[in-house]
Amino acid sequence: QVSLKESGPGILQPFQTLSLTCSFSGFSLGTSNMGVGWIRQTSGKGLEYLATIWWDDDKYFNPSLNSRLTVSKDTSNNQACLKITSVDTADTGTYYCTHSSYGGFFAYWGQGTLVTVSS
Amino acid sequence: DIQMTQSPASLSASLGETVTIECRASEDIYNGLAWYQQKPGKSPQLLIYNANSLHTGVPSRFSGSGSGTQYSLKINSLQSEDVASYFCQQYYNYPLTFGSGTKLEIK
Repeated sequence: QVSLKESGPGILQPFQTLSLTCSFSGFSLGTSNMGVGWIRQTSGKGLEYLATIWWDDDKYFNPSLNSRLTVSKDTSNNQACLKITSVDTADTGTYYCTHSSYGGFFAYWGQGTLVTVSS
Repeated sequence: DIQMTQSPASLSASLGETVTIECRASEDIYNGLAWYQQKPGKSPQLLIYNANSLHTGVPSRFSGSGSGTQYSLKINSLQSEDVASYFCQQYYNYPLTFGSGTKLEIK
C-alpha cells in the first residue's frame, strides 16, 4: 500500500527558501524505476509539475523554475525533499508529492501541504 | 512545453446524465494522457491513463478516448459523488503539463 505525506513550514516570507519533506511508504527509492515527483496547485497556474527525483539520483526540473529548485532523497528513511529558493506570493499554494514511475502519470499522491508566502 | 487546453471550464448536469470533458494538446501526445478527479480539499485521484485505460478501482462509468491531439473523458450515468474537478495531464514529453480543469456540478 503506497502512502505519501508532505510536511512543510506552512507560512514563510518573501525571499526565504521553502523546504518540503515527503515521507512515504509502500515503495523504495532504492528500487529501480521508482521516483518521487513534486506538483503544486496555485490559484494562478493551477496544477504545475515541478520536479522528479529518481531511484538512481537522476533529477528532472521544470525549466520554468529550474534555477530555484533542488530535490534530494534519503533512501534509508524513505524521504524526499524539495527546496525552492527566493519565494514570492506566486509560490503560495498546495504542494503535493507523488509516487512516480517512468509511465509519467501519478497513481499515488500525498494529501498536500498548504504553503503561504506572506510578509 | 506542450499546452493542454481543457473544456468546458465548468459543467452542470443532472443525475443519470452522460457528460463529456475535452482536452486538446498543442501537439501529438501519442495517447500519453491521464485524467484525474479532485474533490474539494482532497488531492487529485487517477481515473484514466494511456488515454483509455481505467485505473484500478475506478467505476466503469468513467471512460477515456481519443488520439493525436484530441482526447475526452466521458462519465455515464452521473452520480452525486462525481461532483468534483477533473484535470487532464500529458506525459508524452517533459515538462509534464496539466489542463486547467473542469468543475462538474449537479443541476
